[in-house]
Amino acid sequence: QSVLTQPPSVSAAPGQKVTISCSGNTSNIGNNFVSWYQQLPGTAPKLLIYDNNKRPSGIPDRFSGSKSGTSATLGITGLQTGDEADYYCGTWDSSLTAGVFGGGTKLTVL
Amino acid sequence: EVQLVESGGGWLQPGRSLRLSCVASGFTFDNFGMHWVRQAPGKGLEWVSTISWNSGSTGYADSVKGRFTISRDNAKNSLYLQINSLRTEDTALYYCARRGITTVANSLYFDSWGPGTLVTVSS
Repeated sequence: QSVLTQPPSVSAAPGQKVTISCSGNTSNIGNNFVSWYQQLPGTAPKLLIYDNNKRPSGIPDRFSGSKSGTSATLGITGLQTGDEADYYCGTWDSSLTAGVFGGGTKLTVL
Repeated sequence: EVQLVESGGGWLQPGRSLRLSCVASGFTFDNFGMHWVRQAPGKGLEWVSTISWNSGSTGYADSVKGRFTISRDNAKNSLYLQINSLRTEDTALYYCARRGITTVANSLYFDSWGPGTLVTVSS
């Protein structure tokens, strides 16, 4: 059971937009910054978004992040087949004094 | 280019001990906090442990507290994870991850990851 809650799967057609939610509480998302990671099959996770909505160098602006209260959202526009991957949200939990992740969301581009 | 390369994984029986290593290159290692994150086969990411740049601060997930010890040797650009009393539930791919630079205390993110080293615990 993950501390952060994500939908197990989402799907959309190529070129469309999809959003992935991440729900927590005041000990984690509510008072800490959120990051998002993409994990392509058989590879290590890759940072997509940090500090709720910032993109590292090299990440296209098709990827965006937002946070409201105790929830965060990853948005992906202009879906490509190469975006098929598992996506994870993560943050710090001040009560647990530990890093925490969501359970992951598998994106299928139909 | 930032590189993190883990090693030390393998197949072990429950109750045994193991030390994982992560060698860093391409950046000034002692400027960064470091973490271990693991992923059981077919499962999600689980944060395991953290160590500050100067080893002055460490932290552990409740699931490993008392059995795992994180350490680093900045002269060797290396991060370690000592795992004692291995359990079958410790079976996972163990990733070394670099904490991203931040000016705020409540920001935690991992901007570089190694390919991982697989630990399998089975009798």
